[in-house]
Amino acid sequence: QMQLVESGGGVAQPGRSLRLSCAASGFPFSTYGMHWVRQAPGKGLEWVAFIGYEESNKKYVDSVKGRFTISRDNSKNTLYVEMNSLTVEDTAVYFCATDGAHRDIDNWGQGTLVTVSS
Amino acid sequence: QSVLTQPPSVSAAPGETVTISCSGSSSNIGSNYVSWYQQLPGTAPKLLMYENNNRPSGIPDRFSGSKSGTSATLRITGLQTGDEADYYCGTWDNSLSAHWVFGGGTKLTVL
Repeated sequence: QMQLVESGGGVAQPGRSLRLSCAASGFPFSTYGMHWVRQAPGKGLEWVAFIGYEESNKKYVDSVKGRFTISRDNSKNTLYVEMNSLTVEDTAVYFCATDGAHRDIDNWGQGTLVTVSS
Repeated sequence: QSVLTQPPSVSAAPGETVTISCSGSSSNIGSNYVSWYQQLPGTAPKLLMYENNNRPSGIPDRFSGSKSGTSATLRITGLQTGDEADYYCGTWDNSLSAHWVFGGGTKLTVL
């Protein structure tokens, strides 16, 4: 069945970088758009970024534009987000998820925790 | 401050009915389908409703959705203790550059 497994989370100092990965299996990854969504501790969901099945289509929330880069390697069935110039406001659980056929976000990974702290 | 507005919390007794509202604007709900997500404590969100009022396989018909203009509503009938969770609405927003938006979330307490 469809599975998404995030990795790469951890503790980073403000201003540093971190790269998250999302390994996909059980579905034709190269034909799916993908999202990153985050959730700060005790807070609601915040959409972060989207990449189409063709890498040319990328979208970002304003707060990460210029700092985060979403990418994918269809040969490895893996989604990435490169996070630069991290701030404490980036502390959150980061979920990867598939873009659904019905203009929704339909399958979610379990998330990986990113903590930005000095 | 979320682009989509939801009540922070709702509560009801088992067996009762509850509604959760989601208010947006012409650039998001007014021109796109709304989906709803259920997040049980300590777990990842799960798609609960798509295209305003369609349930994915496995979602009981106690859950229903609707949309009118720039607002959407999730309705849960026959409440069960297992429904206690956070609920989020979401949709695409077409303003400036297209981006996805979520509501702030509603905590459902089953008394």
